[in-house]
Parts: sequence; C-alpha cells; structure tokens
Amino acid sequence: DTGVSQDPRHKITKRGQNVTFRCDPISEHNRLYWYRQTLGQGPEFLTYFQNEAQLEKSRLLSDRFSAERPKGSFSTLEIQRTEQGDSAMYLCASSLAGPRELFFGEGSRLTVL
Amino acid sequence: QQQVKQSPQSLIVQKGGIPIINCAYENTAFDYFPWYQQFPGKGPALLIAIRPDVSEKKEGRFTISFNKSAKQFSLHIMDSQPGDSATYFCAASWPGSARQLTFGSGTQLTVLP
Repeated sequence: DTGVSQDPRHKITKRGQNVTFRCDPISEHNRLYWYRQTLGQGPEFLTYFQNEAQLEKSRLLSDRFSAERPKGSFSTLEIQRTEQGDSAMYLCASSLAGPRELFFGEGSRLTVL
Repeated sequence: QQQVKQSPQSLIVQKGGIPIINCAYENTAFDYFPWYQQFPGKGPALLIAIRPDVSEKKEGRFTISFNKSAKQFSLHIMDSQPGDSATYFCAASWPGSARQLTFGSGTQLTVLP
C-alpha cells in the first residue's frame, strides 16, 4: 500500500495524558499537512510542512500541540495534557509541490475520557 | 472571510436522481475549488476540482458548476447510485500560504436503491 498511513487508528486516553500520532506520507511527497475533523464538520487545517520545515500553523494549534517532521519523511503530532475538547479525528495528508491534490490518510481517532 | 459555506447538510435521493450540493465563499483570492468524497472510517478523497476561469467541469457522472460573480459553486451527480452514498465536502484554497484547503461543513448524501 503506497498511500498515506496513520498510526494508531484509534486512541482512547484519560484527560491530562499525552498522546502522539504518526503519519507516513506517500514517499515522494514533500508537503505534509495535519487536519482535525470533528463529527459533522469538515476538516480544519492545523499545520503544514514542506520537507522538514514547519511553514504554517493554525491558531487552532494551541501550545499543547506540537508537530515534527524530523527528516522530511514521517511526521508526528503530539498533544500534551489532553482535554475532552481534543476528541476528534486527526487527519494527515500529503502532496507534491505544485499539484493541488491532497492525499489523505484514514485518520487517527482520539477519544479523551 | 476564509469560510466556505455548504448546503444542504444532508440529502436523500432515489437511485438515478441528480443530487446537487451547493457551496458559497467570500474570499475572492480563492483560485482552486475541489470536492472531496468521504466514506465512513476513511479519509477524504479528491473527486473533482475546478478553477475560476471555467464555468463547468465534468468528470464521469460528476459535474462542477462555477459562478464566479455569485461566488458560488455546486456539485451535480448524474445517475446517482447507492455506492455514491457518502459525505461530500467542498473546499477552496488560495495562492501562497501553503495552499492549505478550507473545507465546507459537509453534505451527507444517501442514495436509496
């Protein structure tokens, strides 16, 4: 499978715990995006990487959120001190520079109890 | 100004019908308007996209109509099938700024057999 893969697919955690999600983009794609999707809503942009550089962050990305893409390949999204409002699907997408199509992974669903 | 407003929230049609989903935007800097299809448990996948220099684009049974002066665009699904039952999102992006997408809130389409 050469699509975007995300891990874990589901995570249940207690409020206050830290969680980390991983995204492996399509291998030749140098752009990587994180989105958050809540029930009944469209995906909301969180952050964007071009290669290893984090070039843009949404105001939705509070200080508790941090994302990395250390070698310009896979990326991680960490949420510290989780809150119930963090419960959502976290989607990763990748693309080539130039073409506009974003290829999404199947997402990591977070439930904060 | 960055919002994309989508309607209706849900839509039920009979097999063979032509569901129409509408979106409106305010930001005249938007220059790329894709539609994404999302099945339960899956990430969104690009269905069809249009740029504002054309008024209509067809790909198979899917057509985008674009009205630049009204700042509106719509998706038409010809000869709809039960397999088209999914959530559809319109989106838009603008030059620069990582080309990240702003999504509408989604339309849940059900095509009855």
